[in-house]
Amino acid sequence: QKEVEQNSGPLSVPEGAIASLNCTYSDRGSQSFFWYRQYSGKSPELIMSIYSNGDKEDGRFTAQLNKASQYVSLLIRDSQPSDSATYLCAVNGGNQFYFGTGTSLTVIP
Amino acid sequence: KAGVTQTPRYLIKTRGQQVTLSCSPISGHRSVSWYQQTPGQGLQFLFEYFSETQRNKGNFPGRFSGRQFSNSRSEMNVSTLELGDSALYLCASSLWPPMGGADTEAFFGQGTRLTVV
Repeated sequence: QKEVEQNSGPLSVPEGAIASLNCTYSDRGSQSFFWYRQYSGKSPELIMSIYSNGDKEDGRFTAQLNKASQYVSLLIRDSQPSDSATYLCAVNGGNQFYFGTGTSLTVIP
Repeated sequence: KAGVTQTPRYLIKTRGQQVTLSCSPISGHRSVSWYQQTPGQGLQFLFEYFSETQRNKGNFPGRFSGRQFSNSRSEMNVSTLELGDSALYLCASSLWPPMGGADTEAFFGQGTRLTVV
C-alpha cells in the first residue's frame, strides 16, 4: 500500500511569515512529487513539482525533496492571506497518483 | 491551450437514479483519472484510464464505472445513487507515457459537484 502522509493542521501563520508544510511517502521507488493548492470549493491547482533531491524555488514557493528520508516539504515565504488554502502533497507511483489528505493553512492578516 | 473540462459543473439527483459525468482532458493527454472528494475523506481514487483501458481501480463498489473513448475523453457513471455519493468528482489528465519529469504532472478539471437527495 503506497501512502502519503501529511499533517492535517490546521496550520496558522501571520502574514509575512514562512509557512512550512511537510509530507512523507512510503514508496521508496517514487520519482515524481507534487504540491497542489486547493481553495475551498475549488479543484486542486498544481503549484510545484520536484523530481530530484534538493530544493526547487519558484517565486515565494520552495519545494524540498529528500529521497533518502522519503520526505517532501513546501515552504511559502512572505505568506499572504491569499495563500490560505488546503495544500495537497502527491506522489506519482507509475500510472497512479497518491495524495495526502492535505494540510489546511490559514494566513492571519 | 485548453485545460481539463468537466461537465456538468453541478448536478442534483435523487436516490436510486444514475448519473454520467464527462471529462475532456488536455489536448495530447491520454491518461485520465477520476477522484471523489468529500470533506471528511479527502481525495479518493476511483479509476484511471489510458488508451481506452482501465489500468487502475480504487476501492469503490461496482456502482461506479467509467470508460474512455478513442479521443481520450472519459465518462464515469454512478448507478443506484446513494446519499453518501454526494461529493465533488474530479477528473485529472496527464501525459503518458512520460518522457521526463514534467510529463508526469497531472492537471485537474473544475469538478462536478453531485448532490444526491
